Amino acid sequence: EAGVAQSPRYKIIEKRQSVAFWCNPISGHATLYWYQQILGQGPKLLIQFQNNGVVDDSQLPKDRFSAERLKGVDSTLKIQPAKLEDSAVYLCASSLATSGITTDTQYFGPGTRLTVL
Amino acid sequence: GNSVTQMEGPVTLSEEAFLTINCTYTATGYPSLFWYVQYPGEGLQLLLKATKADDKGSNKGFEATYRKETTSFHLEKGSVQVSDSAVYFCALSTYNQGGKLIFGQGTELSVKP
Repeated sequence: EAGVAQSPRYKIIEKRQSVAFWCNPISGHATLYWYQQILGQGPKLLIQFQNNGVVDDSQLPKDRFSAERLKGVDSTLKIQPAKLEDSAVYLCASSLATSGITTDTQYFGPGTRLTVL
Repeated sequence: GNSVTQMEGPVTLSEEAFLTINCTYTATGYPSLFWYVQYPGEGLQLLLKATKADDKGSNKGFEATYRKETTSFHLEKGSVQVSDSAVYFCALSTYNQGGKLIFGQGTELSVKP
């Protein structure tokens, strides 16, 4: 079974530039998550999709971050414009869960390491 | 709000030593508890989980018991190996928050031969 795929693996940009990350979840997984992991901290949820609807985006800085999940499969996370404090690893995860089931395992991709200069 | 607190690292042990990484949580409702591991250069992987009080999760020689009375989920292993060197994250999820994971800050473990 293929895992969660993410690209690119690394990205370096200047502040005020824009960047986009792509995630392909495990086939059949209804729920997709984007987490931000700042160096030395645990991952923090940015946005959660169930199929192609948003379940939770309360921690997403909506003035600069946006995300979409087309057709309930792939997802793209965009930052525009980027700030220095956006330097982090952006993790995508997916699970079978269809209604906030807390016991379902979330499977993580390898992450995209973003450096903002 | 819900939160997870882990013991600070790094933790350095010799091979075959006993490991304990402390984790305590604050949550409303009845959380599910998880330990994830991040090996160098790899993504997060689920190590073990427990979904109700007194449950014990176990995998690869690691164990953790869900203690509701002390709101804890400490990770233990009787004899660590060099290959266990990684960062370990304790996490919880609750139904009233849609199942999202709330993570501790992570504890780095380094095992020396």
